[in-house]
Amino acid sequence: EAGVTQFPSHSVIEKGQTVTLRCDPISGHDNLYWYRRVMGKEIKFLLHFVKESKQDESGMPNNRFLAERTGGTYSTLKVQPAELEDSGVYFCASSPERGIGPYKNIQYFGAGTRLSVL
Amino acid sequence: DQQVKQNSPSLSVQEGRISILNCDYTNSMFDYFLWYKKYPAEGPTFLISISSIKDKNEDGRFTVFLNKSAKHLSLHIVPSQPGDSAVYFCAASALVGGGKLIFGQGTELSVKP
Repeated sequence: EAGVTQFPSHSVIEKGQTVTLRCDPISGHDNLYWYRRVMGKEIKFLLHFVKESKQDESGMPNNRFLAERTGGTYSTLKVQPAELEDSGVYFCASSPERGIGPYKNIQYFGAGTRLSVL
Repeated sequence: DQQVKQNSPSLSVQEGRISILNCDYTNSMFDYFLWYKKYPAEGPTFLISISSIKDKNEDGRFTVFLNKSAKHLSLHIVPSQPGDSAVYFCAASALVGGGKLIFGQGTELSVKP
């Protein structure tokens, strides 16, 4: 079974440009999350999709960030225009729908996209 | 405000000995805790988890302990192996929070042969 796939692995752009990151979750996983790690600090939550709907976007830094999840499958995260402080590693994670039984929330992460804004 | 804290940025242990990684949290709504392991240039890999209704969970060489009254959890690795050298992240989630994970800053473990 394929894991979470992210593309590109590394992106270098200039301030003011636009970048689009893509995430393909594990097949059948309804939950898709975006996180970001800046300058070796903690990994911070950005937003959460359940299928194609945004469940929680409380972690999105500002309106320069736009996330979509087409048809409840892959997701894109667009940064427009990019600023220097947007540099970091962007991780995508997915998890299956939580059913009955004890609450469990194991999220499976992709390798991340390293974004460098110059 | 940092809801999940890992106060030790790094830890060095000898191969074969026990590694103990610590994590503290402040939000009493957290009801599920996870440890992830991360190698350079890779994403975090799930290691072990524990529900708030338990105080211990064991999986092979890895054991997680939860002390709810102290809002503290720890990961024990016994015996430690050089391949365990990585950054370990503690994470917490709350059912009412929609499932987003709140991470600590990570602890870099180095296991020396």
